[in-house]
This record gives sequence, structure tokens and C-alpha cells, in this order.
Amino acid sequence: DSGVTQTPKHLITATGQRVTLRCSPRSGDLSVYWYQQSLDQGLQFLIQYYNGEERAKGNILERFSAQQFPDLHSELNLSSLELGDSALYFCASARTSGGGETQYFGPGTRLLVL
Amino acid sequence: AQKITQTQPGMFVQEKEAVTLDCTYDTSDPSYGLFWYKQPSSGEMIFLIYQGSYDQQNATEGRYSLNFQKARKSANLVISASQLGDSAMYFCAMRDYGGSQGNLIFGKGTKLSVKP
Repeated sequence: DSGVTQTPKHLITATGQRVTLRCSPRSGDLSVYWYQQSLDQGLQFLIQYYNGEERAKGNILERFSAQQFPDLHSELNLSSLELGDSALYFCASARTSGGGETQYFGPGTRLLVL
Repeated sequence: AQKITQTQPGMFVQEKEAVTLDCTYDTSDPSYGLFWYKQPSSGEMIFLIYQGSYDQQNATEGRYSLNFQKARKSANLVISASQLGDSAMYFCAMRDYGGSQGNLIFGKGTKLSVKP
């Protein structure tokens, strides 16, 4: 158990819908990263938050957004869902955003868009 | 641009034998970190081992060791005394310390199957 929690574990929805994925980092970790894992794209970085502020953006679509709250939990919002958004979404947390910090991953949310 | 290459899509190893999973990387930053993660069929990503670019010795964590050859830009994972529970996908990842983004760059992974 990494100490990172993600809810829900599974999500099935329809095209055009909007969903929210939730992540609680390990106790004391200030940095949260979101990654998407799909069969064709592999593991891709979406966005990073550090202590409530957006720190870096990767290949995140405009239909996707995220935020980190004062209690440091984070939410990833996916809207106008398409079939291709079906993937495993991970959040990872780290103590800081320093280079050598290990990122610990949550169990993931498996999203299926029908 | 940063890149991680894992050339072995799948590998088999006999239980109790050692196995090496290959990883090569490309970066122009002199300061970076290399990570290995394990992903069992259940889907979670489990951190295994870390090697910093300035570390003098190869990292070890229990049955896992990292064969770090900086000049060749390789960071192979060695698993000793393989167990059935080692069957999983293994991902090599890198992070540049000097980059503005703190995210990991992952390879495509190697699927390891341990035979009894």
C-alpha cells in the first residue's frame, strides 16, 4: 500500500459525459501528479500540482482540468468524454517537487467510456 | 528530448533464476534520476528502486539491483532469485532534475513471466 488513495476504482460512463477523479496524497506529500495509461499511448504525464498551485502541464487535453485543494487532495475533471479517453488514470504524490523525490502511485481509476 | 527505451516487450525466466530487464535513456541534463516500477495484473504501480545520476554505487533494494552504466546511458534492472509473484509489467522511468517539469518519462515496459 503506497498510502496514496484514489476514488473511484472503476468508472463506466457514456460519451459526452463529465467525470471527476479524486486523489488523496500520502500524508505530508505536497506534490501531486496525474498520469494517463492507455494501450496506444503508454504512460503519459498530464499535470502536476504543488501545494495547491499548478506546477507543470504535460499532454493534457483542454477538455481535462485539475485542481489541488487546501487539504492537498486533488481532483481531475474530464469532460465531453470520448471513446479514446478510456484509460487507467493514476495520481502519484511526492514530498516535494525535487528531482530525486520518489513518486508513489495510487491504485488508479479505470475509466471506460462507452 | 528525454527518452526511455525498453527493447524487450516480453521475457520469460525460470523460478529462482536471475533476470535482467534492459533500459536505455537519453537526456542532455547532467542531473537526473532513474526509477523502476512494477505493475502487476491488478494494475497498481509499485516503486522498486531509484538511481541518481551522481550516485557512485549501483542501487540495491532487496532482490532488486540497478546496473547503472552512465557512459552507455543504461539502467538495467536485475531481479535475483525470481519468484512467481515477480510476474508483472516493469517500467523504467526517468526524471531530469534541471527541467521545469517534475514528471516522470516512462518506457513502454517489459512483461516478465516467471515459470515454475
